[in-house]
Amino acid sequence: QPVLTQPSSHSASSGASVRLTCMLSSGFSVGDFWIRWYQQKPGNPPRYLLYYHSDSNKGQGSGVPSRFSGSNDASANAGILRISGLQPEDEADYYCGTWHSNSKTRVFGGGTKLTVL
Amino acid sequence: EVQLVESGGGLIQPGGSLRLSCAASGFIVSTNYMNWVRQAPGKGLEWVSFIYSGNNTYYGDSVKGRFTISRDSAKNTVYLQMNSLRAEDTAVYYCARDDGYMDVWGKGTAVTVSS
Repeated sequence: QPVLTQPSSHSASSGASVRLTCMLSSGFSVGDFWIRWYQQKPGNPPRYLLYYHSDSNKGQGSGVPSRFSGSNDASANAGILRISGLQPEDEADYYCGTWHSNSKTRVFGGGTKLTVL
Repeated sequence: EVQLVESGGGLIQPGGSLRLSCAASGFIVSTNYMNWVRQAPGKGLEWVSFIYSGNNTYYGDSVKGRFTISRDSAKNTVYLQMNSLRAEDTAVYYCARDDGYMDVWGKGTAVTVSS
């Protein structure tokens, strides 16, 4: 199954846009996977945000604002979570996740701690 | 309301056993994929196990052979039997419904493995 690599931290100013990356390990192509994104605030369970496979196959979690969106960067072999119009309440840990169709096992990235300045 | 409530965590000595429960409401456990995910203190999420149609089960490498996932349709509950516990199993254990993505999570139950 793929290993998902995320930067450990990222910071941006309130109102800015950010791109959080989730890179797949060698031998796996991001275009073959459905990447899910989760948000976790301290002391709380993760919250499902969205999934992205392609522009025609993507989905938003219930109640998740449209300023959260997903995409792929094929050149970097990475899934992308874009947050536009960053707000203080977006400060959280963000995890990507996927599963391999052959093994059915699930995997998470190590998470990115997003700080809103 | 769709809800998951975990229970059964606590302090256990290395080598001991513990059974976690995840009681569901608002949906039927037996018709959904159900996961256990854990999070060690200050660390990221680690997928542990899931169960789906019938009694098909899958496990992460770190718990294979030691943990067993199961479900009771009558109680609408999923279980995680954890044997041969190690210090590195110390974590908050969450159960999560899986509809292709983990859309419903419980609040978690804490397991501490220590002598």
